[in-house]
Amino acid sequence: DGGITQSPKYLFRKEGQNVTLSCEQNLNHDAMYWYRQDPGQGLRLIYYSQIVNDFQKGDIAEGYSVSREKKESFPLTVTSAQKNPTAFYLCASSILTSGRENTQYFGPGTRLTVL
Amino acid sequence: QQQVKQSPQSLIVQKGGISIINCAYENTAFDYFPWYQQFPGKGPALLIAIRPDVSEKKEGRFTISFNKSAKQFSLHIMDSQPGDSATYFCAASGGQNFVFGPGTRLSVLP
Repeated sequence: DGGITQSPKYLFRKEGQNVTLSCEQNLNHDAMYWYRQDPGQGLRLIYYSQIVNDFQKGDIAEGYSVSREKKESFPLTVTSAQKNPTAFYLCASSILTSGRENTQYFGPGTRLTVL
Repeated sequence: QQQVKQSPQSLIVQKGGISIINCAYENTAFDYFPWYQQFPGKGPALLIAIRPDVSEKKEGRFTISFNKSAKQFSLHIMDSQPGDSATYFCAASGGQNFVFGPGTRLSVLP
């Protein structure tokens, strides 16, 4: 099956701990994205990557870090510097070929709760 | 100029009614307009999309109307069903830019 997988589905973190959320895609998409969604709110872009070994900050990158060592993988680390990390985290990917629609496809999400 | 405005923020419709969600954009470089549907606890899923060379696109009960001169587009859900209750996001894309609207929470009453 082609698609985007995120793990774990639920994650609990103690204050002061770093945690890493996994995102994998087998769609051969060039670009990958991380969004944060708070209850009843929209999608806020954390980081995005358009090519391996390169990534850009989104609107709310503070307290987060990413890596893009492989085309299919884009893990997100929520660091202890993120003061309010409890949220629903969504990973997405898209093709960036010129002339093609830049549709983003989403994974199922990871719900992070700080205890 | 990168914003996409979406209204209403929430919408309550009776079963069988028509749900209408509106979006507006400023950046004329946007050339692709998808709509996403998100159920609680799930990731958004692509519902329907349109390019600005057509004024309307219909897929089943879902229709996008597009007004290029006004830079507005809307989603119409005909014969709305309780199973349509979800949050709907419009989006606009152009080149490597991709912007989401803030979302509309739709509740369809049985």
